Amino acid sequence: DGGITQSPKYLFRKEGQNVTLSCEQNLNHDAMYWYRQDPGQGLRLIYYSQIVNDFQKGDIAEGYSVSREKKESFPLTVTSAQKNPTAFYLCASTSRGGTRGVNEQFFGPGTRLTVL
Amino acid sequence: KNQVEQSPQSLIILEGKNCTLQCNYTVSPFSNLRWYKQDTGRGPVSLTIMTFSENTKSNGRYTATLDADTKQSSLHITASQLSDSASYICVGAPPGGSYIPTFGRGTSLIVHP
Repeated sequence: DGGITQSPKYLFRKEGQNVTLSCEQNLNHDAMYWYRQDPGQGLRLIYYSQIVNDFQKGDIAEGYSVSREKKESFPLTVTSAQKNPTAFYLCASTSRGGTRGVNEQFFGPGTRLTVL
Repeated sequence: KNQVEQSPQSLIILEGKNCTLQCNYTVSPFSNLRWYKQDTGRGPVSLTIMTFSENTKSNGRYTATLDADTKQSSLHITASQLSDSASYICVGAPPGGSYIPTFGRGTSLIVHP
């Protein structure tokens, strides 16, 4: 999985609870991303971070929060404000330049969140 | 709005047969197109990356083509194996800087023995 770890693999949450999904990378990549994947839909961007202590909202940021205190870590908190949080969450990181000047994006193994 | 459309949505083939998956993209500015393989419950893994100047790229039994004029790409799988059963995702990517790719919904491939 390209040097990106996510934990836990499965997570169960009661309604009204906040939960935090972990993402760590040892690829020395500057940029990190969180995506949400639902059945039959493409990956949707929640948040991304180009550099430590800076991050931007993606297409579906409502009900989520992130932090980027270290280059290696980009945790995602799913808050009680997220109305339909049950989904598969993927963390990714991207190299700069790379082969032929193309950014290469690597994904973690994912966390499946289920709201009970 | 950038879009990536994939077809078919799902496909069932017999082991040993070939198949071709299609991708149409509207991504501007456009830099490169990628194909990923995603096994059920796991993260996507890159198969091929093609810049706008490349027409074809192979990775073992996987061959991707790109026509930047018509904004179409295809992924051809030769002599399919049971392990090819997965979702195949087409991704259009912009030039460097702030890298925000556009993902297709994927084609679900099932290979039967």
